[in-house]
Amino acid sequence: EQLVESGGGFVQPGGSLRLSCEASGFTFSSYSMSWVRQPPGKGVEWVSYISGSSTTIYYADSVQGRFTISRDNAKNSVYLQVNSLRDEDTAVYYCVRGNWFDPWGQGTLVTVSS
Amino acid sequence: AIQMTQSPSSLSASVGDRVTITCRASQDIRNNLGWYQQKPGKAPKLLIYATSSLQSGVPSRFSGSGSGTDFTLTISGLQPEDLATYYCLQDYNYPRTFGQGTKVEIK
Repeated sequence: EQLVESGGGFVQPGGSLRLSCEASGFTFSSYSMSWVRQPPGKGVEWVSYISGSSTTIYYADSVQGRFTISRDNAKNSVYLQVNSLRDEDTAVYYCVRGNWFDPWGQGTLVTVSS
Repeated sequence: AIQMTQSPSSLSASVGDRVTITCRASQDIRNNLGWYQQKPGKAPKLLIYATSSLQSGVPSRFSGSGSGTDFTLTISGLQPEDLATYYCLQDYNYPRTFGQGTKVEIK
């Protein structure tokens, strides 16, 4: 059971990125997925949730209206479109499986700076 | 949103010591609490779910207890490899919320 994130990078304030997470080793469509982030040297913050069939989606207030979560069960992948990026969005972004957030991927670093 | 408050924020203990970390929820979350361990430079890892259920492969020196608003993670016999930051997470509702973390250092 493995999750591998990609798509992070350096972006200016106001910019956009699309983060991807590819899953393997389990029946992807049977699980909800979430994105969680961790600013450098700080604690962990839940960002967004999507149910297995994409019928239920939630966002943290801090990203509502700027981030969009989606998934493609045929590709065993979940995505996070991050728009209107701010300095405070700088973080390692992890995808996690299910209600109990297990397992975690290795993370992808998003750096927002001018 | 439910606030999760961990204490202490850091601690230093000797190998073999019994270590206790507490997490308090701002409202009743029943037994919907998990504990995570994050070693330096690594992603967090699930240790305990549903307050007291040990995740597969986690050493039995880790245990969890509590209910309602007050929860505890106990390490019975601290080992050098337990150097890490530990987080609690409420699974009661969305938005999911984590505690601020407890950094465990080895004396």
